[in-house]
Amino acid sequence: EADIYQTPRYLVIGTGKKITLECSQTMGHDKMYWYQQDPGMELHLIHYSYGVNSTEKGDLSSESTVSRIRTEHFPLTLESARPSHTSQYLCASSAYRTGPNTEAFFGQGTRLTVV
Amino acid sequence: KQEVTQIPAALSVPEGENLVLNCSFTDSAIYNLQWFRQDPGKGLTSLLLIQSSQREQTSGRLNASLDKSSGRSTLYIAASQPGDSATYLCAVSTGANNLFFGTGTRLTVIP
Repeated sequence: EADIYQTPRYLVIGTGKKITLECSQTMGHDKMYWYQQDPGMELHLIHYSYGVNSTEKGDLSSESTVSRIRTEHFPLTLESARPSHTSQYLCASSAYRTGPNTEAFFGQGTRLTVV
Repeated sequence: KQEVTQIPAALSVPEGENLVLNCSFTDSAIYNLQWFRQDPGKGLTSLLLIQSSQREQTSGRLNASLDKSSGRSTLYIAASQPGDSATYLCAVSTGANNLFFGTGTRLTVIP
């Protein structure tokens, strides 16, 4: 079982609110990712990090921001939630080394609904 | 840019059948390929990882193969069960461990 946790699992929030989705892993992984996935659709990479103080934007433009102050923690923040942000957000991690044995592990996801 | 395709998009089989899911990728310069399972509304569970130098990996009733030169992988599920119903995703890892996902195959095993 992967040791990567996301909270909350479900969140319903009003438009304009600021929210932070939490992601923590206890595997000591350097690389962490955030994906966005609409129901029945493919995953889109929105942010990733190579390690502490590293954050990069992914393939899909997103109004969210991330921070990486500690290795184990990679929170995602929406300053002003909108209905278009309604989606499932998945966090993942992997050991950062360019080799063939780097397996990625995913959290259970946060399903966000903005009303 | 790496593109990953999964065929079929959806598959329904009666319980007990053996089945094969397909994954193809356009750039053979990969480090590894992972197969994941996703239940509705949940995260991804890693099933198998095949390193670029390997041809196949097995875990229980699952067997994944990799033909890197032709850009193909298959996931074989033996003696399917209703509990196998889920969406199966393949992902390839390239330099700097970037993951490229396919769109998935939604499997339904009918009791």
